[in-house]
Amino acid sequence: AQRVTQPEKLLSVFKGAPVELKCNYSYSGSPELFWYVQYSRQRLQLLLRHISRESIKGFTADLNKGETSFHLKKPFAQEEDSAMYYCALGSSNTGKLIFGQGTTLQVKP
Amino acid sequence: DTGVSQDPRHKITKRGQNVTFRCDPISEHNRLYWYRQTLGQGPEFLTYFQNEAQLEKSRLLSDRFSAERPKGSFSTLEIQRTEQGDSAMYLCASSLARENTEAFFGQGTRLTVV
Repeated sequence: AQRVTQPEKLLSVFKGAPVELKCNYSYSGSPELFWYVQYSRQRLQLLLRHISRESIKGFTADLNKGETSFHLKKPFAQEEDSAMYYCALGSSNTGKLIFGQGTTLQVKP
Repeated sequence: DTGVSQDPRHKITKRGQNVTFRCDPISEHNRLYWYRQTLGQGPEFLTYFQNEAQLEKSRLLSDRFSAERPKGSFSTLEIQRTEQGDSAMYLCASSLARENTEAFFGQGTRLTVV
């Protein structure tokens, strides 16, 4: 079965500390993986996708097929990074997304 | 705002009533998705359209739920005989029909069944 697991509901760090939000997936084919973010009172929006291998707002995520993981990392957290982060698995045929439960990142001053 | 728009933003209804939500996608997007999100959970897929054709429905979508996209533009999601368990945020998203494409989300309709 296709599944996305985000083991931490809440991650609280101090400004300037490194951040790693964990994501593991279960998928039999070639996965399409995304990180979506929802800032307070804003709509869900794409942060990054594994295919583009780019850094957005200082965040990066590497697809590890051996460990079936797609962890989101940032070396130095900023207060404006505080938000809800969702890892999602996409279907190449339909574009349907399967989301994890989400991790709230709280960056303290 | 030229993004995905949903109407209404909030709906409070009594158990047993019917409700209908509307979603206007980004105009050039041929795919449209409905998701449901309950407290503490990520969004869960309900159904999707490519143009006017409804191509997939989740098992979460009971026969009290129906969705349409009559001209391949806006979509409606109707819930008949609402139950308290239907209380949730209903999200609409749209995208182009290609691999690894970004889905653009609306702000959602929050339904409360009392």
